[in-house]
Order: sequence, then structure tokens, then C-alpha cells
Amino acid sequence: AQSVSQHNHHVILSEAASLELGCNYSYGGTVNLFWYVQYPGQHLQLLLKYFSGDPLVKGIKGFEAEFIKSKFSFNLRKPSVQWSDTAEYFCAVTLSGAGSYQLTFGKGTKLSVIP
Amino acid sequence: DAGITQSPRHKVTETGTPVTLRCHQTENHRYMYWYRQDPGHGLRLIHYSYGVKDTDKGEVSDGYSVSRSKTEDFLLTLESATSSQTSVYFCAISEPLLGPQFFGPGTRLTVL
Repeated sequence: AQSVSQHNHHVILSEAASLELGCNYSYGGTVNLFWYVQYPGQHLQLLLKYFSGDPLVKGIKGFEAEFIKSKFSFNLRKPSVQWSDTAEYFCAVTLSGAGSYQLTFGKGTKLSVIP
Repeated sequence: DAGITQSPRHKVTETGTPVTLRCHQTENHRYMYWYRQDPGHGLRLIHYSYGVKDTDKGEVSDGYSVSRSKTEDFLLTLESATSSQTSVYFCAISEPLLGPQFFGPGTRLTVL
């Protein structure tokens, strides 16, 4: 079964610091990859997605992610975080093929940005 | 935001009682999903639907059933609620298959 690993449970950064959140998945086939963000008390919102093409994907709010197929990774980055980026971030993967409807989530990384 | 509503938004119930949560969408998306979110577990899929009256089990389906009689509504039922089902429940929709999923606001359920 496919699985998604997010390496950091809780990351604490000061404002203006750079961010990189790790995400690795276990499936060796073709995948679609997503990052979601959940602000405190709110529902999940899509940050960015990768289906095919350029492995460097740009999302909303200045976030980007790089798909490295050889490393089964899809790390999320932002050059300079703001206090408003405090949230929980979830990586998710779905198999790109017939018969699979399921989106598998990592357990999330909580980001705290200190003003 | 996608047109997804969930009701109720908060519910407190007692062990052994049946509970039904409703998800309503106005996007006419074919695929609908129920997840539960628990600290340290992320989101786990309970059931999903790929059309009216077409549903299937997810990762944590024991103790839950679903029904979808109309495109816009997807109901999640806890036949006999237990304390282990205390959680936040999120509905999601997607179109097309394997496209990004869009989430509802969630229902916080407490089973005493």
C-alpha cells in the first residue's frame, strides 16, 4: 500500500526564515502529488499540485514544491515565511492509474512562525 | 472556496446512539469523500463515493456507513457511536477522478 511520510512533526521558525518541509512517498508508479494547508480551526485548502511536466511547481502564497522522482520526494519550500503561514501542512499522493480513488495523506507538519 | 457545506458543525452525543452527518455540495462533482482527522494521524479516508448509489470503503470504515441518493448529498452514519469515533470529520469533493480534492468546513463530533 502506498504511504506518505512527512519528516517533521513540528517546525518552529522566525519570520523571514526560509522553509523546507519534507515529503516522501512509497509508491514507485506514476503519482499525482499535492500539498494542503490547514490554518488553525479551518478546513484544508489546496496549496499546490503536481500532475506532470515541470517538476518545480508554484502554488499560492509564495509556496513552491519540487518533485524529485528518483528520491520519491515532493518537498515544500518558501523563501521567507510570515507569521500568517502558521498552520499545519499536509502532503498527499494519489496513484495516477485506473481503479484508484484514494488520496493518501501524510500525518502533517505543524509550522509555527514566531514574529 | 468550493460550495461544500457540512451539518451539523458541532455535535455532542452519547455512546450507543446513532449519528448522521451530512455533506452537501453545489459543484456537481462526481466524487465525494469522508475523512476523519485525529492528532498524529493526519486525515484518514472512511468512505468515498464515485456516483449516486456508488460507494466504497476507505482505510477506516469499521463502524461507519454512507449513502448517496443524490449527486449533491453524501451522508455518513455512525450506527452506534463509540468514544473512539470522537473526531473532526471532513467531507471532500473532486472532479475529475484523481483531481485535487476540495474540503468542507468540518464537523466536530464528541462522543461521551
